Amino acid sequence: DAGVTQSPTHLIKTRGQQVTLRCSPKSGHDTVSWYQQALGQGPQFIFQYYEEEERQRGNFPDRFSGHQFPNYSSELNVNALLLGDSALYLCASSTLTSSTNTGELFFGEGSRLTVL
Amino acid sequence: AQSVTQLGSHVSVSEGALVLLRCNYSSSVPPYLFWYVQYPNQGLQLLLKYTTGATLVKGINGFEAEFKKSETSFHLTKPSAHMSDAAEYFCAVSDGNQGGKLIFGQGTELSVKP
Repeated sequence: DAGVTQSPTHLIKTRGQQVTLRCSPKSGHDTVSWYQQALGQGPQFIFQYYEEEERQRGNFPDRFSGHQFPNYSSELNVNALLLGDSALYLCASSTLTSSTNTGELFFGEGSRLTVL
Repeated sequence: AQSVTQLGSHVSVSEGALVLLRCNYSSSVPPYLFWYVQYPNQGLQLLLKYTTGATLVKGINGFEAEFKKSETSFHLTKPSAHMSDAAEYFCAVSDGNQGGKLIFGQGTELSVKP
């Protein structure tokens, strides 16, 4: 059973560019959340997707957008990159509809973005 | 609003010694509480969780945590540290109704000395 997979694992961009990160959730999961983890910090919630719609959003600017596909996979897009966007971007999956949902998340290994 | 405070950004123990990582939370509703571990260049792995029921929860790798409502705490312990426990540990809280929105603490880096 494959867990949460993310791609690419590492990438380097320059200021002003745009980036797309991809995530495939754990089998059986229907909800994908994205987190940003800056160096030395805890992960911060960006947004969550369920049924191809953004269900919740954290305190991130509109430069951060996402998408969820019918197969539950997801993309995170960041436009007009800033130096401060350099971070590890973590995708997490879960089940929103399960009656035993406890809020537990399963994380991928992340995509490390460096903005120069 | 919910929040998490982890006391001590770095904790160092000797191999075989007690591990104690502190976490205090703030929540206006009964919280769901989690401890995750992150090894270098990896994602987060769930160690243990508290949702309802028994306040002492046991997790993987010999870790356990106790939910103390009166103290709004959820400290992580392990009786005897092993070298392989060296990692970053994160405490997190959710209200259980937001299906995936976790609020994380800043993390505690655990070092284990031989």
